[in-house]
Amino acid sequence: DTGVSQDPRHKITKRGQNVTFRCDPISEHNRLYWYRQTLGQGPEFLTYFQNEAQLEKSRLLSDRFSAERPKGSFSTLEIQRTEQGDSAMYLCASRAPGQRGNEQFFGPGTRLTVL
Amino acid sequence: KQEVTQIPAALSVPEGENLVLNCSFTDSAIYNLQWFRQDPGKGLTSLLLIQSSQREQTSGRLNASLDKSSGRSTLYIAASQPGDSATYLCAVRPGNTGTASKLTFGTGTRLQVTL
Repeated sequence: DTGVSQDPRHKITKRGQNVTFRCDPISEHNRLYWYRQTLGQGPEFLTYFQNEAQLEKSRLLSDRFSAERPKGSFSTLEIQRTEQGDSAMYLCASRAPGQRGNEQFFGPGTRLTVL
Repeated sequence: KQEVTQIPAALSVPEGENLVLNCSFTDSAIYNLQWFRQDPGKGLTSLLLIQSSQREQTSGRLNASLDKSSGRSTLYIAASQPGDSATYLCAVRPGNTGTASKLTFGTGTRLQVTL
């Protein structure tokens, strides 16, 4: 499978716990995005990487959230001290570089439930 | 700030009917527009991408049009089938090359095709 993959697909945690999600983009896609989608809404942008550099962060990304892409390949999104309001689907997308990079390809998402 | 609106929020049609989904955006300075399909609890599948210089794109029974100056796009689905039942999302990519090219999504149209 050469698409975007995310792990885990589902995560249930208790309020106050830390969680970490992983995204593996399509091979050779140097641009990687994280979005968050709550029930009945469209996805909202969280952060963007070009290679290993995190170039943009949304105001939605509070200081409890941190994202990394250490070698410019896979990325992780960590949420510390989770709150019930963090319950959402976390989507990762990747895009090819340059002129070929018109389309964003999305992974299956990680659904987080905070109890 | 770009805002994307999709009307209607939900739509139910009998099998075989042709239908049109609408998407409007407030800032016409876009680079492209993508239509996605999302099945319940799943990630996003890209259906069609229209560049800002294009008027329409077709894929099978799907046809997407773009009127950038008026800030509108439509997704036409011909001869609908029960398997088309899903939420359809449109998303715009900004034309400003200084941005992360993050997508701004509408809230989607939930389509149900009945037998």
